Amino acid sequence: AQSVTQLGSHVSVSEGALVLLRCNYSSSVPPYLFWYVQYPNQGLQLLLKYTSAATLVKGINDFEAEFKKSETSFHLTKPSAHMSDAAEYFCAVSVKTSYDKVIFGPGTSLSVIP
Amino acid sequence: NAGVTQTPKFRILKIGQSMTLQCTQDMNHNYMYWYRQDPGMGLKLIYYSVGAGITDKGEVPNGYNVSRSTTEDFPLRLELAAPSQTSVYFCASRSSNRHYEQYFGPGTRLTVT
Repeated sequence: AQSVTQLGSHVSVSEGALVLLRCNYSSSVPPYLFWYVQYPNQGLQLLLKYTSAATLVKGINDFEAEFKKSETSFHLTKPSAHMSDAAEYFCAVSVKTSYDKVIFGPGTSLSVIP
Repeated sequence: NAGVTQTPKFRILKIGQSMTLQCTQDMNHNYMYWYRQDPGMGLKLIYYSVGAGITDKGEVPNGYNVSRSTTEDFPLRLELAAPSQTSVYFCASRSSNRHYEQYFGPGTRLTVT
């Protein structure tokens, strides 16, 4: 069965430091992978997605993620954290079913310390 | 282009009451979804629809019902509210292409007491 795990339910970084949020997936077929961000009291917004083209995917606000098939990982990074990056981040994997099911990870809450 | 809209934003229900959560999208998307989000649990799929007149159960459908009479609207009905239904509810939609990107509404925060 497909699943998504996110290491660390809460991550704190200093402003200007590297952001690294981890995501590992399991899938019996080549997946589509997503990172979504949720700001307080808002819905989820797409940050970036992997759809079997380039393995290094660039998204909005200088976020990027690298698909590593051998490690079944899709970690999210940003070179320099801003205060505005404080949010909940969700990794998700798509599954080709009759309704194209998307499985979400439990989320990682990112805090940015001034 | 408003995207996905949800009403109400907040609601408090008493046990046993009923209500309908509204969801509308203006992107002509065929696929629509209802999720609930509980702290530390990610999103769980309640119901989904692949087009007008076609709905089916997701992972956690008990206590809920849906209908899809138009492409735009996908209301979620709670018939007999229970405390276990206290959650934040999100509606989402996407087009039929295979890139699977979903667009989410702002959510409805429901408390059942």
